[in-house]
Amino acid sequence: EAGVTQFPSHSVIEKGQTVTLRCDPISGHDNLYWYRRVMGKEIKFLLHFVKESKQDESGMPNNRFLAERTGGTYSTLKVQPAELEDSGVYFCASSRNNYGYTFGSGTRLTVV
Amino acid sequence: DAKTTQPTSMDCAEGRAANLPCNHSTISGNEYVYWYRQIHSQGPQYIIHGLKNNETNEMASLIITEDRKSSTLILPHATLRDTAVYYCIVRVDDYKLSFGAGTTVTVRA
Repeated sequence: EAGVTQFPSHSVIEKGQTVTLRCDPISGHDNLYWYRRVMGKEIKFLLHFVKESKQDESGMPNNRFLAERTGGTYSTLKVQPAELEDSGVYFCASSRNNYGYTFGSGTRLTVV
Repeated sequence: DAKTTQPTSMDCAEGRAANLPCNHSTISGNEYVYWYRQIHSQGPQYIIHGLKNNETNEMASLIITEDRKSSTLILPHATLRDTAVYYCIVRVDDYKLSFGAGTTVTVRA
């Protein structure tokens, strides 16, 4: 089966601009998660979708971040406006249940 | 906050077993232990997981102590391609993975 696909793989934007990251989960996986690692820190949970519903967005850092999963398929994570501290690697993962998690390769976001 | 502590780094000889320790002394009774690894710029790759019993799959073995406060990941025959950062993770709230800092494992020829 195809894995979790994320794009772009890299994005460099200026402070104040908007960036949208996309994640295509494995087909049939109802659960979708976003994680991120910012410089020097550990990988942290951002949010969890079950189909199109947000189950837990407790890890979202602030209201500049907006995640959507229309139709319960792919998901987008928008950062608007981007700040320097948003730089890092954003990972998406999906699972059929809550046991096996497959991660994508991540999007490296650099805000300058 | 991370619920696991691991050594920062360790070396292993190619062909030998690699034993990676992890402490998770605050783990709750229904929280699973997962191991993932990250090779260079790839995403985290699943290795194994367990709750109470020892587990084995084609990649590794997971030994969990009886009190569940620590565990050991065993790579039976390390190869150069096993060089990676290995994460010991506790799954909280039934779905959320709490990553620690990981152990950088270097397999040497």
